[in-house]
Amino acid sequence: AQTVTQSQPEMSVQEAETVTLSCTYDTSESDYYLFWYKQPPSRQMILVIRQEAYKQQNATENRFSVNFQKAAKSFSLKISDSQLGDAAMYFCAYRRGDSSYKLIFGSGTRLLVRP
Amino acid sequence: NAGVMQNPRHLVRRRGQEARLRCSPMKGHSHVYWYRQLPEEGLKFMVYLQKENIIDESGMPKERFSAEFPKEGPSILRIQQVVRGDSAAYFCASSPGLDEKLFFGSGTQLSVL
Repeated sequence: AQTVTQSQPEMSVQEAETVTLSCTYDTSESDYYLFWYKQPPSRQMILVIRQEAYKQQNATENRFSVNFQKAAKSFSLKISDSQLGDAAMYFCAYRRGDSSYKLIFGSGTRLLVRP
Repeated sequence: NAGVMQNPRHLVRRRGQEARLRCSPMKGHSHVYWYRQLPEEGLKFMVYLQKENIIDESGMPKERFSAEFPKEGPSILRIQQVVRGDSAAYFCASSPGLDEKLFFGSGTQLSVL
């Protein structure tokens, strides 16, 4: 069975600094996707970034980028120039390539941003 | 184009009562998915529905839980005879088709007293 592990329950970063959130996963599949979702206090799940396993290039979306290490099954999220609005829960998620809706989520990391 | 709408936002029930959670997908979306988030945990898949059909209910508890997505109207997640362990946030997501991006609602927080 696939699993997703986020070992950092909480992280803190100074505004304008950079922070990295860790995620590891376990799978025997070769075709899969990885995601980072942001959940602010409003509770809405917002897709931050997505990575296809077959792509070697790390995905980037503005201040958000990932470090995808396929052999190590690691998928960390780097947030550059942190802003107060980045404060939220961040969830790492996995899905098999043939199962577009069955996301498997980690337990989340709470990110605090200090002004 | 309004996003995925869930109501109520908060629902309080006493043990043994029924809870009905509603989800209106985004316009043009015919695929609906329900997830549950227990305290301090990530979301867990419950069920996938298309109009009038349950496609995959492998994540649904076998008893007391049911879901529907009628031809007209919102999708409903129904929990009969609620227990304290049902207290959680229930999220709905929708997509225009299979293998497309999921759009999540803001969830319904169910509290069972």
